[in-house]
Amino acid sequence: AQSVTQPDIHITVSEGASLELRCNYSYGATPYLFWYVQSPGQGLQLLLKYFSGDTLVQGIKGFEAEFKRSQSSFNLRKPSVHWSDAAEYFCAASREGYNKLIFGAGTRLAVHP
Amino acid sequence: GAGVSQTPSNKVTEKGKYVELRCDPISGHTALYWYRQSLGQGPEFLIYFQGTGAADDSGLPNDRFFAVRPEGSVSTLKIQRTERGDSAVYLCASSFGQTDEQYFGPGTRLTVT
Repeated sequence: AQSVTQPDIHITVSEGASLELRCNYSYGATPYLFWYVQSPGQGLQLLLKYFSGDTLVQGIKGFEAEFKRSQSSFNLRKPSVHWSDAAEYFCAASREGYNKLIFGAGTRLAVHP
Repeated sequence: GAGVSQTPSNKVTEKGKYVELRCDPISGHTALYWYRQSLGQGPEFLIYFQGTGAADDSGLPNDRFFAVRPEGSVSTLKIQRTERGDSAVYLCASSFGQTDEQYFGPGTRLTVT
């Protein structure tokens, strides 16, 4: 069955530190991959997406993600975290050409000053 | 506003009652999606509309759940004989087409007592 796994439920980092959020997928073929952020009271916002091509994808708010086919991973990174980055982050996948998203359970990010 | 809107933002109902949740997509978006997000989980796909028709309703959990989009714009998710397990945040998203970015609304928090 198709699935997306985010191994870390909760991560805490200090402001200014680097960040990596993990995501693994299980699909029959390489899916479309996404990272979304959800802040309290806000709708899900797309940070970045991977469809094909360059495996390092740049997104909004200084985030990037790297697709690694051999590891079935699509980890999200940011070199220096800001307090405003505290939120819940969801990795998602969809079958090529189709936008029905399958989400991971999310990683809640806390940022210490 | 230009975004996806959902009403009500909160709904409390008694077990066994009927509820309707409304989604107003972004103007011009032909695709509309419903997801359900239970506490501590990622969003789970329920149903997808392309225009007025349900293109994929494979995520609806049972026949108590039904959704319509009669004029290809506003959609209503209907839940009959609500159960406590239906308590969740119901998210709506819309996109230009089925391969385009989905824009999410803030959700309706349903609590069944």
